Amino acid sequence: NAGVTQTPKFRILKIGQSMTLQCTQDMNHNYMYWYRQDPGMGLKLIYYSVGAGITDKGEVPNGYNVSRSTTEDFPLRLELAAPSQTSVYFCASSYSNSRGETQYFGPGTRLLVL
Amino acid sequence: QKEVEQDPGPLSVPEGAIVSLNCTYSNSAFQYFMWYRQYSRKGPELLMYTYSSGNKEDGRFTAQVDKSSKYISLFIRDSQPSDSATYLCAMSAGGSARQLTFGSGTQLTVLP
Repeated sequence: NAGVTQTPKFRILKIGQSMTLQCTQDMNHNYMYWYRQDPGMGLKLIYYSVGAGITDKGEVPNGYNVSRSTTEDFPLRLELAAPSQTSVYFCASSYSNSRGETQYFGPGTRLLVL
Repeated sequence: QKEVEQDPGPLSVPEGAIVSLNCTYSNSAFQYFMWYRQYSRKGPELLMYTYSSGNKEDGRFTAQVDKSSKYISLFIRDSQPSDSATYLCAMSAGGSARQLTFGSGTQLTVLP
């Protein structure tokens, strides 16, 4: 199993541009999450999904959108990029059972907005 | 006040030392406690998972949870240079979405 994969690994955006961060998992997990990690700030939850077709906002959703059309894929869309969105973005997934708190993370996407 | 506070470090110790990493929290609903290890430019990986209060040991790693004091710890015995990483505590109240609240991380360097 590849686990959780993310593309691209690194991207530079200009202010006002848009992009989609891709996330795919092959573990048949129902739950998927998007986090951003800023230096010294830990991980902040942006959006999450408990299954295909179901998404909900996390702690810092402004400026982002998500969709979940399949169990495997959970893309994160940035509209009108701003310098404040410069961060490292991690996608994660987990089982929807008693060990659902065990989240498996992808390698991350580094985004720089100039 | 943050829901989860973690000693930011950085922490630098000689090889073979015992390392103690700590987090405090304010939300009494938290009942699942985890430690994640994150190597530089990598995603976090689960290191330890505990439910409610008590101790859990896995090789050189011991996780302790004291719910009465809202305090969790991770101990690393016989630390190795390969333990050099950022350690993140994470907590969850459970619920349908199993959301985690993370500490800010402690950067550890083990010197050979």
